[in-house]
Amino acid sequence: DTGVSQDPRHKITKRGQNVTFRCDPISEHNRLYWYRQTLGQGPEFLTYFQNEAQLEKSRLLSDRFSAERPKGSFSTLEIQRTEQGDSAMYLCASSFTNSPLHFGNGTRLTVT
Amino acid sequence: RKEVEQDPGPFNVPEGATVAFNCTYSNSASQSFFWYRQDCRKEPKLLMSVYSSGNEDGRFTAQLNRASQYISLLIRDSKLSDSATYLCAVNGVGGGGADGLTFGKGTHLIIQP
Repeated sequence: DTGVSQDPRHKITKRGQNVTFRCDPISEHNRLYWYRQTLGQGPEFLTYFQNEAQLEKSRLLSDRFSAERPKGSFSTLEIQRTEQGDSAMYLCASSFTNSPLHFGNGTRLTVT
Repeated sequence: RKEVEQDPGPFNVPEGATVAFNCTYSNSASQSFFWYRQDCRKEPKLLMSVYSSGNEDGRFTAQLNRASQYISLLIRDSKLSDSATYLCAVNGVGGGGADGLTFGKGTHLIIQP
């Protein structure tokens, strides 16, 4: 395991459809984060897990968004009833406690 | 003051020159500071941590000024391959617990031959 892996790399969907992204963190890392990045902006925090517990959700994360990390391993981020404003790069990162975040290569979502 | 603020640039710099940019942060209690590099349409990659006493990694030097609440990145003898967006990241400002990072919008650097 050489890094954080995200799938798919790209997703094009029609408005109103549901999408799900997957993140496989670095195996030894106990923390997993989801960020969203749009053009010209830095990554914005969405939510994070310590092991399997979801400890915090940003106010950016509307009710249409849900994230899970069953068994404290991989994580999924689901967006229901997608809107054009959801178009962005969705980044997953993982870390040990008190260490820097390491990002996956992201899932680029386009909602048409 | 915005939580984490950077000059977006672009900084157009001739190859071989020295370039520096700063990043200001809002929370005086922040303890962890980082510079990330992001290439176009790629993920951010950790460039270096920023330590209280300042630190150097080859051509790159990072410094922290707690009194004025900013961090800086200096690149010496710039290479064409240094062209990228440089993101600063600070803990304790936004969400994500103690290790969660809040990012600036990034500074776009273009090294010209």
